[in-house]
Amino acid sequence: EPEVTQTPSHQVTQMGQEVILRCVPISNHLYFYWYRQILGQKVEFLVSFYNNEISEKSEIFDDQFSVERPDGSNFTLKIRSTKLEDSAMYFCASSEVPGVAGVTQYFGPGTRLTVL
Amino acid sequence: AQSVTQLGSHVSVSEGALVLLRCNYSSSVPPYLFWYVQYPNQGLQLLLKYTSAATLVKGINGFEAEFKKSETSFHLTKPSAHMSDAAEYFCAVSDDTGRRALTFGSGTRLQVQP
Repeated sequence: EPEVTQTPSHQVTQMGQEVILRCVPISNHLYFYWYRQILGQKVEFLVSFYNNEISEKSEIFDDQFSVERPDGSNFTLKIRSTKLEDSAMYFCASSEVPGVAGVTQYFGPGTRLTVL
Repeated sequence: AQSVTQLGSHVSVSEGALVLLRCNYSSSVPPYLFWYVQYPNQGLQLLLKYTSAATLVKGINGFEAEFKKSETSFHLTKPSAHMSDAAEYFCAVSDDTGRRALTFGSGTRLQVQP
């Protein structure tokens, strides 16, 4: 069964450094998402991406964050200058049928980001 | 604004017992409701979803959930718990306004005792 993959599974970085989290969505999916889960807290929406542009973003997704689809398969989340509070599990998701709300989002296994 | 409340951050049941995980939602428009499960060191896997068809939704692994508009609830049940059901369960909501972001509850960790 097709699945969303994410790399790396765990990333440790120093405060102020840039990190790029990578995702390979399911191949025929057109909508891509990033969510994060700070330890002990809810899964929170960050951003959705369709047709090479941001479709929707939350207030968490400030100028420190950016997303990109650099090629036909990868979808990346960049954090420009990491802060301690960026430490979290970051989940990528993808879905098909962009015009339909309630469509299933398929999640990857997550990247655990630790900022020291 | 949408929100989801999951009552009980931890639920413990005996193997073979009924599983009931509670989810209440708040939405100003007709909601779409989801239950996801997360096994240790894995991503979120869809168990089932409600999208305005039948109010009783059957999912994978013997789970089902009933949408009750009058109670704004979407509780998850399974008649007989299995050890392999031990995991974290998340209820989530989106709506038909075109906004596709999921709003998640805080999760319920299910323990199954032998």
